[in-house]
Amino acid sequence: NAGVTQTPKFRVLKTGQSMTLLCAQDMNHEYMYWYRQDPGMGLRLIHYSVGEGTTAKGEVPDGYNVSRLKKQNFLLGLESAAPSQTSVYFCASSSDRSSYEQYFGPGTRLTVT
Amino acid sequence: EDQVTQSPEALRLQEGESSSLNCSYTVSGLRGLFWYRQDPGKGPEFLFTLYSAGEEKEKERLKATLTKKESFLHITAPKPEDSATYLCAVRGYSSASKIIFGSGTRLSIRP
Repeated sequence: NAGVTQTPKFRVLKTGQSMTLLCAQDMNHEYMYWYRQDPGMGLRLIHYSVGEGTTAKGEVPDGYNVSRLKKQNFLLGLESAAPSQTSVYFCASSSDRSSYEQYFGPGTRLTVT
Repeated sequence: EDQVTQSPEALRLQEGESSSLNCSYTVSGLRGLFWYRQDPGKGPEFLFTLYSAGEEKEKERLKATLTKKESFLHITAPKPEDSATYLCAVRGYSSASKIIFGSGTRLSIRP
């Protein structure tokens, strides 16, 4: 039981390049989330999904897109990376049958130069 | 709008020196208050959920308490391995399936 996994762990992009971050969970959770964490700002919600085929905007969605084609996977895309997107990205999942406590992946450290 | 404020930002304690971390919140109907621990370079790890004022939860040297406006994470006789950032988060009735995080308290325990 791996929990929540994220790939890649590290990535460096040049401004304007695109990439996709992959999140996978094996806990059969309905809900999945993408956050970014910046120093002094805590975790900020980018996008989330309440089930396969659904997505919704969070607090800071601009410049990102997501897809949830399979229940266990949640993809975060950057179409044209900007230096302001340099951050640590965390994926999380939670059950819809509990108190919604979230379980987090190990994070992806992204640097945009 | 739901809000979470944690204090202090950083706290340095001597091993064995007990203290408390504060989480003040504003939410339109509390559905749950969560505490997480985050070690450097890792994702947050779930610790507790509290649902209503007066509720308490314990785990080893940690005890979380809840009032109508704030939560405390009490650390009794801490050890160096308790050093981490502690995050508080809330879920309100107006925020659907989302939870709002505070910016955390960075706790350092000196041997």
